[in-house]
Amino acid sequence: TQLLEQSPQFLSIQEGENLTVYCNSSSVFSSLQWYRQEPGEGPVLLVTVVTGGEVKKLKRLTFQFGDARKDSSLHITAAQPGDTGLYLCAGSYPGNNRKLIWGLGTSLAVNP
Amino acid sequence: GAGVSQSPSNKVTEKGKDVELRCDPISGHTALYWYRQSLGQGLEFLIYFQGNSAPDKSGLPSDRFSAERTGGSVSTLTIQRTQQEDSAVYLCASSSGGRELYGYTFGSGTRLTVV
Repeated sequence: TQLLEQSPQFLSIQEGENLTVYCNSSSVFSSLQWYRQEPGEGPVLLVTVVTGGEVKKLKRLTFQFGDARKDSSLHITAAQPGDTGLYLCAGSYPGNNRKLIWGLGTSLAVNP
Repeated sequence: GAGVSQSPSNKVTEKGKDVELRCDPISGHTALYWYRQSLGQGLEFLIYFQGNSAPDKSGLPSDRFSAERTGGSVSTLTIQRTQQEDSAVYLCASSSGGRELYGYTFGSGTRLTVV
């Protein structure tokens, strides 16, 4: 199964710090989504990006889609313990827009 | 309902037994997906239903796995003669229009443990 590469795999930081996680592929996406998953729950959609170079903000979270639509990043400003969870990216490829391809995720722990 | 409902939330079964997992999607969502999530493996696509079209079964790992969706709503994933490697969290998601741009709404999953 083709996967997206996410990095880092694990991240443990203190409350108030900033962080960036990455999602990369060698292929071009038609769209990319970011999800957050908490233990015992299913992933919850945070954002969908479609246009190369697109930047979307969701409170303290900033999502960027690469110009070539091969990569994406998620930046969190002033992280809080409530941001703890598994961050997953999922992309769809041209010609196959009904099945998402998933990364393994970045497990983030924000310590008070 | 307001969200995607899955049952049971946990299932422990003996090797060789059959199990049925149920998913009740968001009302009006025409697309329904089953995924499997194991530690270190990411989300593995199993099957996709879209309206009245034939399901995309390309992700089912073996013929012991089957799924149906009755009346375009509730779906059941059946695993026959369970094996220990079937142990995982089985997630169901629904989406409107079958277009990934709308994003998926996931249920909380069924944690299956085969002993």
